[in-house]
Amino acid sequence: NAGVTQTPKFQVLKTGQSMTLQCAQDMNHNSMYWYRQDPGMGLRLIYYSASEGTTDKGEVPNGYNVSRLNKREFSLRLESAAPSQTSVYFCASGPSGPDTQYFGPGTRLTVL
Amino acid sequence: QKEVEQNSGPLSVPEGAIASLNCTYSDRGSQSFFWYRQYSGKSPELIMFIYSNGDKEDGRFTAQLNKASQYVSLLIRDSQPSDSATYLCAVNRNDYKLSFGAGTTVTVRA
Repeated sequence: NAGVTQTPKFQVLKTGQSMTLQCAQDMNHNSMYWYRQDPGMGLRLIYYSASEGTTDKGEVPNGYNVSRLNKREFSLRLESAAPSQTSVYFCASGPSGPDTQYFGPGTRLTVL
Repeated sequence: QKEVEQNSGPLSVPEGAIASLNCTYSDRGSQSFFWYRQYSGKSPELIMFIYSNGDKEDGRFTAQLNKASQYVSLLIRDSQPSDSATYLCAVNRNDYKLSFGAGTTVTVRA
């Protein structure tokens, strides 16, 4: 039981490049989330998926898109990376609604 | 005003002492409250959750909730060097979204 997994662990991009961050969970959770964490800012919600087939914007969605591929997988895409998107990205999953969330190991992204 | 506010610290306590962390939130409709621990370079891990006013104890950790005053706290008793981490307070308004504070860094001195 791996919990929440994320790939890649590290990534360096040039401004304007695109990439997709992958996330998968094996806990049969309904809800999945993408956060970014910046120094002094705490965790900020980018997008979430309350259940398979649905996605909604969080606090900071601009510059990102998401896909809930199936119940297990939730990907985050940067279409045209900008230096302001340099951050640590965490995927999380939870059973549903206001319940607890469990985090993946994170992806450290640097945009030059 | 931020939705969830925490003292950034660092909070330095001697080994064996009690560490007290505070968190205030702005939305009176908030229903669920969580404390996560995050070691440097690692992901947040859940320590405790609390839904009702009062105290909830789990081992050396006690969460305290006061909805009337809109604060939630975490006490760490008999602090150990392994407790040195950043502690994140998170609040849920009974929807799918958690709002996180910026975290309080705790250092336990041996």
